[in-house]
This record gives sequence, C-alpha cells and structure tokens, in this order.
Amino acid sequence: QQQVKQSPQSLIVQKGGISIINCAYENTAFDYFPWYQQFPGKGPALLIAIRPDVSEKKEGRFTISFNKSAKQFSLHIMDSQPGDSATYFCAASMGGTSYGKLTFGQGTILTVHP
Amino acid sequence: NAGVTQTPKFQVLKTGQSMTLQCAQDMNHEYMSWYRQDPGMGLRLIHYSVGAGITDQGEVPNGYNVSRSTTEDFPLRLLSAAPSQTSVYFCASSYPGLAGSYEQYFGPGTRLTVT
Repeated sequence: QQQVKQSPQSLIVQKGGISIINCAYENTAFDYFPWYQQFPGKGPALLIAIRPDVSEKKEGRFTISFNKSAKQFSLHIMDSQPGDSATYFCAASMGGTSYGKLTFGQGTILTVHP
Repeated sequence: NAGVTQTPKFQVLKTGQSMTLQCAQDMNHEYMSWYRQDPGMGLRLIHYSVGAGITDQGEVPNGYNVSRSTTEDFPLRLLSAAPSQTSVYFCASSYPGLAGSYEQYFGPGTRLTVT
C-alpha cells in the first residue's frame, strides 16, 4: 500500500523555470512532511520540511505548499538551475517517537537544461 | 564528525548466504533507521530504533534482523539472502530537534546484489 503518491516520475525544466512536484497522502495521522534531494551515488539529504499547522514554507528558492483538506503537498523550485538536477522524494511521518519512520513517495527525477 | 558511515559500499552475495551491513553514527543520535531503495519505489523502511535495546519493524522487515546494543551502531543482518533483496540500502540517524526539526541524516548507502 503506497501511502504517499508522488508525481510526476520525471520532469524536464529549462534553466530559470519553475519546477513543481506534487505529493498526495492517505494517512491523516501524518504530522511531518519533508522533501529530500538525492544526487547519483549519494544518500538523500533534507531539503525542506513542513508541519500541517502551516500552509506554506519557503527557504530560498524552495517552497512547500501544503493543503491539509486535500491531503496534498507540493515542492516548488523557483529559478531552477542545472545544479538542481537530482531525484526528489517527498515523505511523511507521524509524530512522537514515530517521526523518524518516514514513508516516501516514489521519487521524481528532475533535469534542468542550461 | 564523520556523520553516518556504512560498510561495505558494494557487496555481491549468492542466494542463501548471510551477511551484516554495518552502520555507525557519531552524532549521538537516538533514532536510527534502515531503508532500502528500489527503482520506482522510493525508499522503504525496513527497521527502526529509538534507542539502545529498542527496535521496531518498518514496512518491509521480512528477511532482515537488527539489534541495537549501543547508541552508535545499528547493524542490519540478512540471514539467508534472496535475489529479491538486491537493492541499495541506506542507514539514517536523527534526533528530535528544535522547533519541530526532525532531520534524518543518511549514510552513503550499500549496493547489494544477490545472484
């Protein structure tokens, strides 16, 4: 059972464009929603995260939009750069001692052309 | 700090063989996890630990054993390897941070092939 569904599987964007990746979740007990970035041959690294008590969080060129009623959240990358080319994963976890038990989406391979 | 380290980086096993994937962290994190990454499926949680002596199963625990005798180490054991366990394995550690920060730090991964 895939509790976090991510789309698209792959995304090609021109330099300077906006990249948008979407995720939908089923479990309303999820309390923490991070996005991870992974480069080839490396482990994932936290990019940005949000809790359900806010609808948007921005860090530099990266923004998470969160819609609790629709059970959806998305990552927006503004002014996309070739260095942003990587695989992006959304994830979710419940609170308390379970926050570290992440359920990941399937991943999106982002390619930014110069 | 070395962060999260994993050994070996690559491993080839024959069906039925056993082995242990090593994971260590030097950040004094209480929480540690093992994930496997397969194409098109993201990362899936295998086992989880909230401290020494405490472990819990994740989404795909069958065929894997863990134990946590120290805060630093969290080895993953494959008792009888199967081709379905061919994957990239990631270990991660984390701690309850300030203001709701729950960052997990991932190791570089172990690429395992079972023939």
